[in-house]
Amino acid sequence: AQKITQTQPGMFVQEKEAVTLDCTYDTSDQSYGLFWYKQPSSGEMIFLIYQGSYDEQNATEGRYSLNFQKARKSANLVISASQLGDSAMYFCAMREVWMDSSYKLIFGSGTRLLVRP
Amino acid sequence: DGGITQSPKYLFRKEGQNVTLSCEQNLNHDAMYWYRQDPGQGLRLIYYSQIVNDFQKGDIAEGYSVSREKKESFPLTVTSAQKNPTAFYLCASSIRSGGHNNEQFFGPGTRLTVL
Repeated sequence: AQKITQTQPGMFVQEKEAVTLDCTYDTSDQSYGLFWYKQPSSGEMIFLIYQGSYDEQNATEGRYSLNFQKARKSANLVISASQLGDSAMYFCAMREVWMDSSYKLIFGSGTRLLVRP
Repeated sequence: DGGITQSPKYLFRKEGQNVTLSCEQNLNHDAMYWYRQDPGQGLRLIYYSQIVNDFQKGDIAEGYSVSREKKESFPLTVTSAQKNPTAFYLCASSIRSGGHNNEQFFGPGTRLTVL
């Protein structure tokens, strides 16, 4: 079965510094996708970034980048120039092929990031 | 604006009562999902629907039921058979269930507390 592991329950970072949130995954599929979502205290899940298993370049979206190391099965999220508004829970998720052509997301347990002023 | 709405935001119910959580989307998405989130944990899939009048059980479907009579709506009923219903419930939708990078869009969630 596919699995997502986030080993950092909580992280602190100083405002304006960069921070890396770890994510490792386990799958036997050749084709898969990895997502990162942000969950503020309000509860809504906000999509941040996506990496496909066949993408040769690491994904980037503004201040977010994904450090994808396929051989190590890791997909770490890097947030550059942290802002106070980045304080939230962050979830790594993997797309699992399910019910033939459909898919579902498998989520990790999350990392709570606190940005210090 | 396009998006997903869930109502109510907070819901309190007595033990043994059925309760229905609303989820509406105006994104014209085919696929819709219900997730449950417990404190300090990630999301777990309850039910999933790819098209109208069709839905499949997720990983933790016991004690829950859904319907998909309209493309825009995917209500979730938490029945009295659900042993621990107190949780945060999130509804999501996506353009289609397959494909590569079609992310799921989430609603604001409903926090259910059973007294």
